[in-house]
Amino acid sequence: AQSVTQPDIHITVSEGASLELRCNYSYGATPYLFWYVQSPGQGLQLLLKYFSGDTLVQGIKGFEAEFKRSQSSFNLRKPSVHWSDAAEYFCAYFGNEKLTFGTGTRLTIIP
Amino acid sequence: EPEVTQTPSHQVTQMGQEVILRCVPISNHLYFYWYRQILGQKVEFLVSFYNNEISEKSEIFDDQFSVERPDGSNFTLKIRSTKLEDSAMYFCATNSGTYTAYEQYFGPGTRLTVT
Repeated sequence: AQSVTQPDIHITVSEGASLELRCNYSYGATPYLFWYVQSPGQGLQLLLKYFSGDTLVQGIKGFEAEFKRSQSSFNLRKPSVHWSDAAEYFCAYFGNEKLTFGTGTRLTIIP
Repeated sequence: EPEVTQTPSHQVTQMGQEVILRCVPISNHLYFYWYRQILGQKVEFLVSFYNNEISEKSEIFDDQFSVERPDGSNFTLKIRSTKLEDSAMYFCATNSGTYTAYEQYFGPGTRLTVT
């Protein structure tokens, strides 16, 4: 079955440290992949997307993600996190006319 | 920047009552979606809507749910007889139907509380 998996439920990093959030997908064709961020009580904001082409995509707020077909992964990275990055992060793919989301990773930032 | 809006932001209703959640899509967008997120869980697809008809729906979207675009601008989700388990955040999303059709823009959500 088609799915997207975020293996880390909760990650804590220090402000200024680097970040990598993992996402794995299971989908037959080339997936259309997304990362969304959700701050507490807020809606979903699109961080970045991958459709085709360059496998390293840049997004807003200094985030980037790399599509690796061989590993079925689309991990989100940021070189230096800020306290304002604390939020829930969702990986998703578009297929069969809908977005399918992972279970999310909650990011906590400590001083 | 154009954005999707939703009303109300919070709706409290009693079990068995009907609720209508409203969304105003971005003006030139053609595809419309409803998703829901039960507290602490992932975002789940409910229904997609294009050209005034449902194009895809999930198993969650049973006969208690309906969608329509009554006036060409608003996009509504109706729950006929709410249950406790309908308590969730409901998100509307839209996309333009062009090359970036897969890129969905989400509204801020309506928190539905069924008591």
